[in-house]
Amino acid sequence: GAGVSQSPSNKVTEKGKDVELRCDPISGHTALYWYRQRLGQGLEFLIYFQGNSAPDKSGLPSDRFSAERTGESVSTLTIQRTQQEDSAVYLCASSSRRSNYGYTFGSGTRLTVV
Amino acid sequence: DAKTTQPTSMDCAEGRAANLPCNHSTISGNEYVYWYRQIHSQGPQYIIHGLKNNETNEMASLIITEDRKSSTLILPHATLRDTAVYYCIVRALKNSGGSNYKLTFGKGTLLTVNP
Repeated sequence: GAGVSQSPSNKVTEKGKDVELRCDPISGHTALYWYRQRLGQGLEFLIYFQGNSAPDKSGLPSDRFSAERTGESVSTLTIQRTQQEDSAVYLCASSSRRSNYGYTFGSGTRLTVV
Repeated sequence: DAKTTQPTSMDCAEGRAANLPCNHSTISGNEYVYWYRQIHSQGPQYIIHGLKNNETNEMASLIITEDRKSSTLILPHATLRDTAVYYCIVRALKNSGGSNYKLTFGKGTLLTVNP
């Protein structure tokens, strides 16, 4: 597609439920990143995928968070047993050599845990 | 990655040039300077990047000092739509295997363009 697509754009869930967030990167982009941004805060790195290499999971805040990506396609970020502190905008970005290593971000998924 | 220091906020009059400074005194030889901005309620947007030469594109100019310890992002004719948080980031690129490396975002500079 023309840009990075994320769905849903908004998600309200009850505390304790699991949620799944989706990211469609730009076609041909080998790298994919997930970030989290709490209200009024900066971007917090979560996880990075590069092709078929093992992902860099160093930013995942707890074992309730996991992410998958098959090859260079769609990625899903799953949060199990959601807590109120998980409320944030979850941003996905992709990049490749052709983009001079600059990231293209999606519009994010706004997650609200009530 | 080297750390950067930016002012918390700046104001600029519409139509004037906005000059956003960034200090990166610990930058190493293989690290590039990147600028992104984030308009309210949107994802960050790539603006420009450079290594040591000044760079210009349709959005902005990037001036990097000779010692590479600081840089300035210039928006030549700021408009109200340029109101955003501007992030200066330094990051190394690794050419082997086509690897891309994560960007670490600081707090950035909130630029407010006033009418």
